[in-house]
Amino acid sequence: GAVVSQHPSRVICKSGTSVKIECRSLDFQATTMFWYRQFPKQSLMLMATSNEGSKATYEQGVEKDKFLINHASLTLSTLTVTSAHPEDSSFYICSASGPSEGQYFGPGTRLTVT
Amino acid sequence: QKEVEQNSGPLSVPEGAIASLNCTYSDRGSQSFFWYRQYSGKSPELIMSIYSNGDKEDGRFTAQLNKASQYVSLLIRDSQPSDSATYLCAVIVDFGNEKLTFGTGTRLTIIP
Repeated sequence: GAVVSQHPSRVICKSGTSVKIECRSLDFQATTMFWYRQFPKQSLMLMATSNEGSKATYEQGVEKDKFLINHASLTLSTLTVTSAHPEDSSFYICSASGPSEGQYFGPGTRLTVT
Repeated sequence: QKEVEQNSGPLSVPEGAIASLNCTYSDRGSQSFFWYRQYSGKSPELIMSIYSNGDKEDGRFTAQLNKASQYVSLLIRDSQPSDSATYLCAVIVDFGNEKLTFGTGTRLTIIP
């Protein structure tokens, strides 16, 4: 149990375009999901907390207008990187609070902006 | 002072030996503690959770928590090459808030 999926697993886009990443809890309902970013050889950086039916809570320094988060159902949260630039290239990982305490992570999405 | 601290390593352990990973945290009110394993290029995988002082065992893994010393550790017995990964310590600092605070991780290498 407690499986989280992400789509796509890998995406390459051109600078200035937008990219949408989906995060789904497959076998449980998740009222809270989290979005992280991880640069090479660094630890996870929490970007925002996504709550079903309400606005996301962004961490300090994360631009809410650039990283749009929508959590419209108990099993789906999306992250849209708007007007992507090469510095947005990173490994984006979502997680969900599962049936027992702790977070369960999706497999991640590797974004490359050219 | 960082909220959750880990030695970044690398920590090298011979195959079959016990690997010991350590983590300290600064907020004395922290309630929940987790160990995640992350292979290179992959997302973290939950290994253990621990909430009360003492030891908690699951297979080859043992988590140890000492709230008085603000210290949590992970022991891996009979280390295997497949245990080579980065191990992340994570803490829920704010009670009622599910947000995890991560350490920077310890890179573990098991030497065959």
